[in-house]
Amino acid sequence: EAQVTQNPRYLITVTGKKLTVTCSQNMNHEYMSWYRQDPGLGLRQIYYSMNVEVTDKGDVPEGYKVSRKEKRNFPLILESPSPNQTSLYFCASSLRTSGGRGNEQFFGPGTRLTVL
Amino acid sequence: AQKVTQAQTEISVVEKEDVTLDCVYETRDTTYYLFWYKQPPSGELVFLIRRNSFDEQNEISGRYSWNFQKSTSSFNFTITASQVVDSAVYFCALRESSGGSYIPTFGRGTSLIVHP
Repeated sequence: EAQVTQNPRYLITVTGKKLTVTCSQNMNHEYMSWYRQDPGLGLRQIYYSMNVEVTDKGDVPEGYKVSRKEKRNFPLILESPSPNQTSLYFCASSLRTSGGRGNEQFFGPGTRLTVL
Repeated sequence: AQKVTQAQTEISVVEKEDVTLDCVYETRDTTYYLFWYKQPPSGELVFLIRRNSFDEQNEISGRYSWNFQKSTSSFNFTITASQVVDSAVYFCALRESSGGSYIPTFGRGTSLIVHP
């Protein structure tokens, strides 16, 4: 089944304890991205990647890191989480970044992160 | 800069009513892409439609229809004969094509509640 998977789905942690949220897609998509969703703010992009070893900042990259060593995986790293990073996180992928068919994004199920 | 406005924060209807969700966007690009996504109570984000700026043809998919009007920079979404299963948050999104911008902008979402 074609899908985007994220792990963990739920995580409660404490300030300063490094964590990684994994994201994997099995559709051979070029483009992957991370979003956070906060009440009243909609979805905001954190980082994106256009292909292996190519990553770039989105709208709200502060406090986050990513890597794209393989096409299928795009982990989100919080080196020193803080309470303002408590949010619902989505990973997404699309076949391509250019126009036309295939640039719609498919989202993972979400990871609800609470930083105490 | 690109911007998406979904002025309706919440809409409440009774089953079988028709309902229109508004989306107004701002962009300086002549080529851009508009999207609608659905987020049901279970939390996942589901892609509904993509529209290219150069294709103003309206689209109908079952009970769903989309009205794209470049003259008013709007991409409205209508659900005909709404059902309880349509209850969800709906997001409109815009991605510009020029300048290598791969950061889509999402509206803040419209919460649709369909009462039986």
